[in-house]
Amino acid sequence: DAGVIQSPRHEVTEMGQEVTLRCKPISGHNSLFWYRQTMMRGLELLIYFNNNVPIDDSGMPEDRFSAKMPNASFSTLKIQPSEPRDSAVYFCASSLSRGNTEAFFGQGTRLTVV
Amino acid sequence: SQQGEEDPQALSIQEGENATMNCSYKTSINNLQWYRQNSGRGLVHLILIRSNEREKHSGRLRVTLDTSKKSSSLLITASRAADTASYFCATDAPDTDKLIFGTGTRLQVFP
Repeated sequence: DAGVIQSPRHEVTEMGQEVTLRCKPISGHNSLFWYRQTMMRGLELLIYFNNNVPIDDSGMPEDRFSAKMPNASFSTLKIQPSEPRDSAVYFCASSLSRGNTEAFFGQGTRLTVV
Repeated sequence: SQQGEEDPQALSIQEGENATMNCSYKTSINNLQWYRQNSGRGLVHLILIRSNEREKHSGRLRVTLDTSKKSSSLLITASRAADTASYFCATDAPDTDKLIFGTGTRLQVFP
């Protein structure tokens, strides 16, 4: 397996634009996590899915953020409209079962909002 | 909010020395994991220790867990320059899928 695949690797966008980040988890994994990493706030859990269902989105900063998982092999994190403070590295991770095994991380998407 | 706090925030040592990083957390846990992150890359899993375990080894890594103190330590023995990275602990509480990461320790190993 190629591991968790995220796209794009880098994204530069203007304030107010819509941004969509994509993630393909490892085949067979049933938990998927979206994290955001900044120097100031560290690694924050935004939302996680189990069997394609959003279980906890309490970490999503505000209504401008939304996440979907239409099937077991694809998830998106959308920011609309984007703001400069959304600039961060966004990671997607997947794991095999509920909390008892390691999480595999993608390489991340570095988002810059200017 | 973050569950774990790592200590120290940064650590600089010479090759061959041992590196010890500590993690404290706030609530009861199912298990505790340690991850490594090289600059600009995703996190990589190192080791998992369950709440009913007290110590675990993997190669040059030794992890301890004290649930009464809600703390864990990661020891890297005979460090190498290639161990330079940030190290994070992560916990998941019982009855939840949430995997919450600590603040991390930046380790610099000088050759």
